[in-house]
Amino acid sequence: QKEVEQNSGPLSVPEGAIASLNCTYSDRGSQSFFWYRQYSGKSPELIMSIYSNGDKEDGRFTAQLNKASQYVSLLIRDSQPSDSATYLCAVYSAASKLTFGTGTRLQVTL
Amino acid sequence: EAQVTQNPRYLITVTGKKLTVTCSQNMNHEYMSWYRQDPGLGLRQIYYSMNVEVTDKGDVPEGYKVSRKEKRNFPLILESPSPNQTSLYFCASSLDPNQPQHFGDGTRLSIL
Repeated sequence: QKEVEQNSGPLSVPEGAIASLNCTYSDRGSQSFFWYRQYSGKSPELIMSIYSNGDKEDGRFTAQLNKASQYVSLLIRDSQPSDSATYLCAVYSAASKLTFGTGTRLQVTL
Repeated sequence: EAQVTQNPRYLITVTGKKLTVTCSQNMNHEYMSWYRQDPGLGLRQIYYSMNVEVTDKGDVPEGYKVSRKEKRNFPLILESPSPNQTSLYFCASSLDPNQPQHFGDGTRLSIL
């Protein structure tokens, strides 16, 4: 089992719709969770960080963490073509290790 | 401006010719790390450093060396590069690994 798993996609959503990106992790004691956005050929940039169970909202973005089920998700409301990118989930585990998933490619269509 | 600076941004070189990719941050961060990114494999950690003079192996350290003599700099050294080290490399830093990482712009290495 991979430490951090994401569906590679592409996930295609129409403009204005909600995009839902999911990530599961294997270390039940993981402490910190991050979502990064990466445009092709560019460096990852932080979208959200979440440390406790529940939802965290920032503008059009909502991160959801469920430690019991070991998943973290990212919702993007009112998706825009500029949101088309690869979204990376990163998890800091109880073993003091930061691991990235392979990313989900999101395509927002007009 | 807070930033992580990598140099060079692009490099084409030949097998066996030693090279160094520099990384510098101006945010007084303790934690620094190097990643390589390959299609389908995501970001994989090569080495990390919790603070000055303390470094440790990540998931794919073979063929690489690092040093952390001062807080701001964390160079990646390829003593004898081989074609399987052709990749996109990122340096990152943060206050500690439990905090969001700040990434450099990346270095695209091609080893012929």
